[in-house]
Amino acid sequence: EVQLLESGGGLAQPGGSLRLSCTASGFTFSSHAISWVRQAPGKGLEWVSGISGSGSDTYDADSVKGRFTISRDNSKNTLYLQMNSLRAEDTALYYCARSRCSNGICELDYWGQGTLVTVSS
Amino acid sequence: EIVLTQSPGTLSLSPGEGATLSCRASQSVSSSYIAWYQQKPGQAPRLLMYSASSRATGIPDRFSGSGAGTYFTLTISRLEPEDFAVYYCQLHRNLPTFGQGTKLAIK
Repeated sequence: EVQLLESGGGLAQPGGSLRLSCTASGFTFSSHAISWVRQAPGKGLEWVSGISGSGSDTYDADSVKGRFTISRDNSKNTLYLQMNSLRAEDTALYYCARSRCSNGICELDYWGQGTLVTVSS
Repeated sequence: EIVLTQSPGTLSLSPGEGATLSCRASQSVSSSYIAWYQQKPGQAPRLLMYSASSRATGIPDRFSGSGAGTYFTLTISRLEPEDFAVYYCQLHRNLPTFGQGTKLAIK
């Protein structure tokens, strides 16, 4: 059974940092690109960042470019999102989601349950 | 940047009725890059359709997708109580983007 489990969310101050993790199981982790998708309270879905299965290619939304860094450790079946220079508008539930493909970002066929990030002073 | 616009914002229907949700792209896109998701309150999104018209694993055949160019639709025939949720379309050419969602509400 494919499972994705996010952790690392919490309260951060504006300008602060957080590191999210997503631990995967039930599939060959390195064979799939993985994305972070966020959802602000009561709002729609916003794709944030993605990384290819090998980790060689990363993709970021303009809203987080230069502030967030996606990475993965295929030996640990774990995805990361380093979030720096946090802003109030980064407050959201952050999901990790598996792509059906290994390269690029395609449709997302499995999702975790999310970890909540709140940016507030 | 290609923008996806979903309509209507809210669709109120009764169980047993059919539903058609639309997703318009601001530029023509290949149907290969269009996916649909369902999200129920308190749950993560679930992939319904990919490549515009292919059902994801385990999705019942009352869900169907179609479209080309700038106009795509998700059709649900014979609504079941568990189908009332929010639906999102997604374009995953280059950097992915989602539509703003359509809420399918019980009438």
